[in-house]
Amino acid sequence: SQKIEQNSEALNIQEGKTATLTCNYTNYSPAYLQWYRQDPGRGPVFLLLIRENEKEKRKERLKVTFDTTLKQSLFHITASQPADSATYLCALDLIGDYKLSFGAGTTVTVRA
Amino acid sequence: DADVTQTPRNRITKTGKRIMLECSQTKGHDRMYWYRQDPGLGLRLIYYSFDVKDINKGEISDGYSVSRQAQAKFSLSLESAIPNQTALYFCATSEGGQNIQYFGAGTRLSVL
Repeated sequence: SQKIEQNSEALNIQEGKTATLTCNYTNYSPAYLQWYRQDPGRGPVFLLLIRENEKEKRKERLKVTFDTTLKQSLFHITASQPADSATYLCALDLIGDYKLSFGAGTTVTVRA
Repeated sequence: DADVTQTPRNRITKTGKRIMLECSQTKGHDRMYWYRQDPGLGLRLIYYSFDVKDINKGEISDGYSVSRQAQAKFSLSLESAIPNQTALYFCATSEGGQNIQYFGAGTRLSVL
């Protein structure tokens, strides 16, 4: 069966440090992988998309890597700020499927 | 105004009642989705629609039905609500090959 796993435990880090989140998947051959941010009581908001032929993608303080051999994506928040505190979801899009399968999310708390 | 609007935002109902959750969008997207979110389980797809005449079941469609009244409107119904349908429900839209999804703010449903 298809499965997506994210860091099961919440991540608590000091302001200014780098947060690294993991998304592992099995039995997929995704064309791309997406990352979303979700704040309490709000809907997820798209952050970044990385294609299967891309190793790394950056957007401001965010960096995503995608290793299709390991079936893993890493999501980094550099120079973290308290405003980065949220739950981060990874999502996979099967080729030609137009449906996303989501991980359960990792909650990040950045302490000032 | 939000691009994807869900109503109501909160709803408490009793077991056995019929309830409808509504979603409307101003993004002009053809694809619309309904998800439910439970703690620790992430987002799970209930139904999706790629245009007004196309309705498809997702992974957890039992106990739910949908109606695509127009390109901009996609409603989710619980025919006879039961307590384990207590959850946070999200509507989303998408377009294009990358399938980036845009979510509403969610409806928090409690079935007593």
